[in-house]
Amino acid sequence: GAVVSQHPSRVICKSGTSVKIECRSLDFQATTMFWYRQFPKQSLMLMATSNEGSKATYEQGVEKDKFLINHASLTLSTLTVTSAHPEDSSFYICSAREGQPNTEAFFGQGTRLTVV
Amino acid sequence: QKEVEQNSGPLSVPEGAIASLNCTYSDRGSQSFFWYRQYSGKSPELIMFIYSNGDKEDGRFTAQLNKASQYVSLLIRDSQPSDSATYLCAVLPSGSARQLTFGSGTQLTVLP
Repeated sequence: GAVVSQHPSRVICKSGTSVKIECRSLDFQATTMFWYRQFPKQSLMLMATSNEGSKATYEQGVEKDKFLINHASLTLSTLTVTSAHPEDSSFYICSAREGQPNTEAFFGQGTRLTVV
Repeated sequence: QKEVEQNSGPLSVPEGAIASLNCTYSDRGSQSFFWYRQYSGKSPELIMFIYSNGDKEDGRFTAQLNKASQYVSLLIRDSQPSDSATYLCAVLPSGSARQLTFGSGTQLTVLP
C-alpha cells in the first residue's frame, strides 16, 4: 500500500506552547488528508478534512483556531495544536487518500502528544 | 444510534480457531466498507475492503458484506497470537461527506 509518513512520533511539550505535526504522502499525491484524534481505548474521532489548497473542514466541536490545519501541497499537511493544554494530550493520526472517495485511505504512524 | 457499531469485546479465541468480528451500520446507502487492524499504541493498518455483497477472501481473512442487513463481518481463520489487536470497522457513507466513519473497534485476543 501507499506510504504516509507522520512526524514526530512522540512529543512532549509544556502547557501553553504550540506543537506542529506533519503528515506526508511519500509515493502518491494526496488530494484529501484527514486528521484524527484517539483517546485511550476509544476509536478514532475525525477532527478535520483538508483538501489541497483549500481551507480545512472541521468536525463539530473541534476548534479551528486551536487546531490549525494547512494543506499547502499535494504531499504535505500539517496540524498545529496551539496553546496546548494537558487535555489535548492524545494520539493524533493523519490519513491520506489519493483519489476518489471510495478508495482506501492510508494512515500515518501517529503522534503521541503529551502536554505537561 | 451510532452510525457504525461493533461489539467492543474483548473477544478471546484459542490459537488456530476462527475469529469472527461483526459490524453493523445505519446508512443504507453506504458504499464501501473497510477493516483496519490497530495494535496498541500504533496507527490503524488496512486489512481489507469490500464493496459488493458476498464474501471476499485474502489469505486467512474473509470479509462478508450483506447490504440488505447492513452488516459486514471479518473472519480470521487459523488465528495467531500476532492477530491480537483492535479491529476497526469503517464505512464510507452516502452523501457529500465522503469520509470514513469508524466503529469503536473490537479488541481481539488470541490465546496461545
